[in-house]
Amino acid sequence: DAGVTQSPTHLIKTRGQHVTLRCSPISGHKSVSWYQQVLGQGPQFIFQYYEKEERGRGNFPDRFSARQFPNYSSELNVNALLLGDSALYLCASSLAGGEINYGYTFGSGTRLTVV
Amino acid sequence: GQNIDQPTEMTATEGAIVQINCTYQTSGFNGLFWYQQHAGEAPTFLSYNVLDGLEEKGRFSSFLSRSKGYSYLLLKELQMKDSASYLCAVRDKSGGSYIPTFGRGTSLIVHP
Repeated sequence: DAGVTQSPTHLIKTRGQHVTLRCSPISGHKSVSWYQQVLGQGPQFIFQYYEKEERGRGNFPDRFSARQFPNYSSELNVNALLLGDSALYLCASSLAGGEINYGYTFGSGTRLTVV
Repeated sequence: GQNIDQPTEMTATEGAIVQINCTYQTSGFNGLFWYQQHAGEAPTFLSYNVLDGLEEKGRFSSFLSRSKGYSYLLLKELQMKDSASYLCAVRDKSGGSYIPTFGRGTSLIVHP
């Protein structure tokens, strides 16, 4: 069984550009969460989707958006990139959202560098 | 939201025992996770505590005291490969979100 897959693994963009990051959850998992991890910090929550609906949103500007597709894969979009958006973007999949601990499985991440 | 505090860095000797502490403040506690993250890699799940007490899993154990807002991760018989960042994450049920919030992580360096 494939784990959580993210693409691309590395990306270099210039300020002001737009980027789309992709995530495929573990087969059978219906929830995807996105986190941003700046070097030396813990992951910061951006979005959670479950059954194609947004279940949670972190404290990020409207330049950040996401969606989940019928096959439960997900995209994270960031517009008008800033230097401060340079980070490792992690996707985590779980069976479901909510209070039951299904646990998170993280993908290897996309390393975004904005120059 | 949550306020999660853990030491920035710790060092220990191969074969020894190390305890990594995590304190938190939250209004609707619904579970605490520990993850291990090697440099440049994804976090991997280590443990989950929702009730008070000690959960043991091989060389790793995790303890929780909800009344004190306190947890620790205990690593025994340290190996060089245990050098990594250890992330404490707390899930809060207030607002119905149940989304874990991560601390900044503790960088553990194991030396011979």
